[in-house]
Amino acid sequence: DTAVSQTPKYLVTQMGNDKSIKCEQNLGHDTMYWYKQDSKKFLKIMFSYNNKELIINETVPNRFSPKSPDKAHLNLHINSLELGDSAVYFCASSLRTNSFSGNTIYFGEGSWLTVV
Amino acid sequence: SQQGEEDPQALSIQEGENATMNCSYKTSINNLQWYRQNSGRGLVHLILIRSNEREKHSGRLRVTLDTSKKSSSLLITASRAADTASYFCATDAGDDKIIFGKGTRLHILP
Repeated sequence: DTAVSQTPKYLVTQMGNDKSIKCEQNLGHDTMYWYKQDSKKFLKIMFSYNNKELIINETVPNRFSPKSPDKAHLNLHINSLELGDSAVYFCASSLRTNSFSGNTIYFGEGSWLTVV
Repeated sequence: SQQGEEDPQALSIQEGENATMNCSYKTSINNLQWYRQNSGRGLVHLILIRSNEREKHSGRLRVTLDTSKKSSSLLITASRAADTASYFCATDAGDDKIIFGKGTRLHILP
């Protein structure tokens, strides 16, 4: 009954490879996110989808391509992996309300990506 | 672009003491949230304070917001070993982006 689940939890791969991280939420939320957390714990938003539509696309290399087949899933595909892509990637979801009320974000447990 | 900055970056206190963390931000916001991250885990929402609120309580947590100074503080009273974690503030400026700070690493000493 995990709310936001992402797989794999750990991923070690060589430079140049292509890899995907999958994410699913069972909370009935309409908005999903990908965040990247670097070694200094800085958490940066990468993408956000609302009802399968891309609404936020931060300055992320186009080697990163999110795909949302439905509003409960948001997968992240990374092409031609580089050493600097090593980080923890968090999937998250929320129910989009008016900003004043606040959108509480529910996070997955993270996917530890190591590029060697 | 980064919005929130937590201060201090790291904090060690004795169990039972109070822990105070601060967050400063740059632009006007609609609300501010605090999250906790245990080592090796995802972030967990703690509390949200709206821009028209000045103080909010939840259990041992007390959050204040000063929009004139663009700052917020999180107070954890009577700290416990289980409070050891990183704490992040997150600001919502109404542009669909919720921006997180770099976090404060809190360590509760036995």
